Amino acid sequence: GAVVSQHPSWVICKSGTSVKIECRSLDFQATTMFWYRQFPKQSLMLMATSNEGSKATYEQGVEKDKFLINHASLTLSTLTVTSAHPEDSSFYICSARDNVGYTEAFFGQGTRLTVV
Amino acid sequence: GEDVEQSLFLSVREGDSSVINCTYTDSSSTYLYWYKQEPGAGLQLLTYIFSNMDMKQDQRLTVLLNKKDKHLSLRIADTQTGDSAIYFCAERNQAGTALIFGKGTTLSVSS
Repeated sequence: GAVVSQHPSWVICKSGTSVKIECRSLDFQATTMFWYRQFPKQSLMLMATSNEGSKATYEQGVEKDKFLINHASLTLSTLTVTSAHPEDSSFYICSARDNVGYTEAFFGQGTRLTVV
Repeated sequence: GEDVEQSLFLSVREGDSSVINCTYTDSSSTYLYWYKQEPGAGLQLLTYIFSNMDMKQDQRLTVLLNKKDKHLSLRIADTQTGDSAIYFCAERNQAGTALIFGKGTTLSVSS
């Protein structure tokens, strides 16, 4: 099946610094990628939809200046958590949909962010 | 808005069948999905079903869809300890883009 690679798998950063998370589709092109956030023992909450070559669409309540999304190519989307605070600590997961197949959405392995 | 509900826990013995249930509210859902998440890992797509189907079988997995009642189930035959994980039901939302997830069902398999 299609593979989505997310990097890094885990990161610890100091409060006030910024962290970039990458999401790559390895064997297919993805015009659209999605970024989710998952709190412990909770479901996945959609943060934003990342569109190649255009601005991301953010869900209500998600600060676009806090969570910067860049989708510069058909295989790469990045999420930058700016001026991170401990409350931003969470599990971030991206998914990508194959432009051709359309039906399935494949997920990265997730990034555990801990802000200290 | 769309909503997806699942029971939170299921405990079974190794070798038994597991049935995980899910209900959804969006009658315009086109695809419904089952994902598996192991501790600290991302989501693994197990299977999906198109809304005009009522059953799909894939090896030990059987998906049943009752569109009238907006009820989806995942049956795992001969459940193994390696099946212990959180299982998420998800639907394609009205815009046909992002998936809407349930809260997940934690399946615990004892030997």
